[in-house]
Amino acid sequence: SQQGEEDPQALSIQEGENATMNCSYKTSINNLQWYRQNSGRGLVHLILIRSNEREKHSGRLRVTLDTSKKSSSLLITASRAADTASYFCATDAKNAAGNKLTFGGGTRVLVKP
Amino acid sequence: SQTIHQWPATLVQPVGSPLSLECTVEGTSNPNLYWYRQAAGRGLQLLFYSVGIGQISSEVPQNLSASRPQDRQFILSSKKLLLSDSGFYLCAWTLAGGGETQYFGPGTRLLVL
Repeated sequence: SQQGEEDPQALSIQEGENATMNCSYKTSINNLQWYRQNSGRGLVHLILIRSNEREKHSGRLRVTLDTSKKSSSLLITASRAADTASYFCATDAKNAAGNKLTFGGGTRVLVKP
Repeated sequence: SQTIHQWPATLVQPVGSPLSLECTVEGTSNPNLYWYRQAAGRGLQLLFYSVGIGQISSEVPQNLSASRPQDRQFILSSKKLLLSDSGFYLCAWTLAGGGETQYFGPGTRLLVL
């Protein structure tokens, strides 16, 4: 099974509302990253949080990390129709060769105007 | 600035035919390179990664192979395609020597009929 598992698998909200998605993982990590993918496109890096950090902000994004629970959350505040995309968490496991990332299954977010 | 290219963008191939997908990176030297496959509506599965010319690590046993003939060129190949090889193939790179963020290409959609 994948290292990262996102919850929920899909999310539908109105423009202006907040969107929250969660990620769980299984092994010790160096960092956890969130990526965004528009339909049929490549992934774009959003934010990275290190194992010794608990919270990080970037614009309308807020990421938390709880290493004791092996979980992370991504909050998008004041969502816009342009935020419609799939969001993936990815973990950089300790001792993993080649800086490999393990991706979760993703959360599909639909923001309705 | 760095850019990553993948081609072709879309490919329809019959079962049993060969495959060659190409990925090239510009604007950086000695990057780590990665090939992923993404099934429809799913997360990314790491297929191969490379930390240098001629150095290929395979993550899953399969019908595919990878090669890195030049520093910034990564090729995904198959001698005989299977129906199960259909999917969205993504190439990514990180900075040499432990870059954390992965930068993705636009992807190649492969349909095997």
